[in-house]
Amino acid sequence: NAGVTQTPKFQVLKTGQSMTLQCAQDMNHEYMSWYRQDPGMGLRLIHYSVGAGITDQGEVPNGYNVSRSTTEDFPLRLLSAAPSQTSVYFCASSYVAGVSGSETQYFGPGTRLLVL
Amino acid sequence: SQQGEEDPQALSIQEGENATMNCSYKTSINNLQWYRQNSGRGLVHLILIRSNEREKHSGRLRVTLDTSKKSSSLLITASRAADTASYFCATLAGGTSYGKLTFGQGTILTVHP
Repeated sequence: NAGVTQTPKFQVLKTGQSMTLQCAQDMNHEYMSWYRQDPGMGLRLIHYSVGAGITDQGEVPNGYNVSRSTTEDFPLRLLSAAPSQTSVYFCASSYVAGVSGSETQYFGPGTRLLVL
Repeated sequence: SQQGEEDPQALSIQEGENATMNCSYKTSINNLQWYRQNSGRGLVHLILIRSNEREKHSGRLRVTLDTSKKSSSLLITASRAADTASYFCATLAGGTSYGKLTFGQGTILTVHP
């Protein structure tokens, strides 16, 4: 299994440009999430999905769109890039184990985004 | 807002020593997890402790949870240089959907050989 894959690894954008960060998982996980990581801020949740066709907002959703047409893919779209969106973006997938309801998230390697 | 606050922000120790990191959170939780991040890479799950558990062990890791104080600690015993990384606590708030973890700001651990 490849696990969680993200593309591209690094991207430079100009202010106002749009782009899509790709995320795919091959573990048939039900839940998928997008986080951004900024220095000294830990990870902050952007959007998450509880299954194909179902998405919801996290802590910092403004300026980002998501969709989940399949279980495997969860792309993150930047509508009009701003310098404040310069960050490292992580995608994660998870499943809930048994009756305990324990969830473990599996992370991709991240995409470094620089907005000029 | 950040659910978890971690302490210390940075920790520097010698190989063989124990490392203790603390995490405090604000709301009731379903479970609390610890993750590790090597420089520039994705996070890796270390251990999960449920709200009805007080202590859990996994290899050289020991996690405690005090729900009355809304705090948790991660102890790494007999540390190695390879343990050098950032460590994050993450909580799943009670009644919250899965996929919606809230992370602390992390502790940067440096283990000197």
